Amino acid sequence: AQSVTQPDIHITVSEGASLELRCNYSYGATPYLFWYVQSPGQGLQLLLKYFSGDTLVQGIKGFEAEFKRSQSSFNLRKPSVHWSDAAEYFCAVGARAGNNRKLIWGLGTSLAVNP
Amino acid sequence: GAGVSQSPSNKVTEKGKDVELRCDPISGHTALYWYRQSLGQGLEFLIYFQGNSAPDKSGLPSDRFSAERTGGSVSTLTIQRTQQEDSAVYLCASSLDEDTQYFGPGTRLTVL
Repeated sequence: AQSVTQPDIHITVSEGASLELRCNYSYGATPYLFWYVQSPGQGLQLLLKYFSGDTLVQGIKGFEAEFKRSQSSFNLRKPSVHWSDAAEYFCAVGARAGNNRKLIWGLGTSLAVNP
Repeated sequence: GAGVSQSPSNKVTEKGKDVELRCDPISGHTALYWYRQSLGQGLEFLIYFQGNSAPDKSGLPSDRFSAERTGGSVSTLTIQRTQQEDSAVYLCASSLDEDTQYFGPGTRLTVL
């Protein structure tokens, strides 16, 4: 069955520390991969996406993610976290082909940043 | 350009009443999605429209929920006979064929 797992429900890091949020997927074909961020009281904003090509993708706000096919993972990283990064982060996967482009979503990881 | 807009931003209703939530997608986007997000939860897929194809209604939780998309643009999500468990934020997103979904700010529904 198709699924997305974000193993960490909640993570707390100190400002300036590095960050890695995990995302593992189960999908029948090579997927499209996304990370979205939802700040408190806000809608979801696209951070980055992987469609093809270089497996290390750069996104907004200094985030990057690496697609590892062998591990079925698409982990999100940031070298130095800012207090404004405190938010909910969602990983999603979608089909490369076919008519139904519905995404499969993870349950999210809540990030808290200590000053 | 304009992003996805949703109205109203907040809706408070009494149990048993019907509500309509509106979504205006980005102009030219062929796909439109409705999601529900309960407090502290992830996104629950409700329904998906793609062009002129029949919508994917597989996520609608009950027959009290319905949605339509007129003229391939604006969409309305209708909840009949609302229940307290329907209280949530309802999110709309639209996309072109490349699958990147762009989200609106959501409608916060409170059923008293």
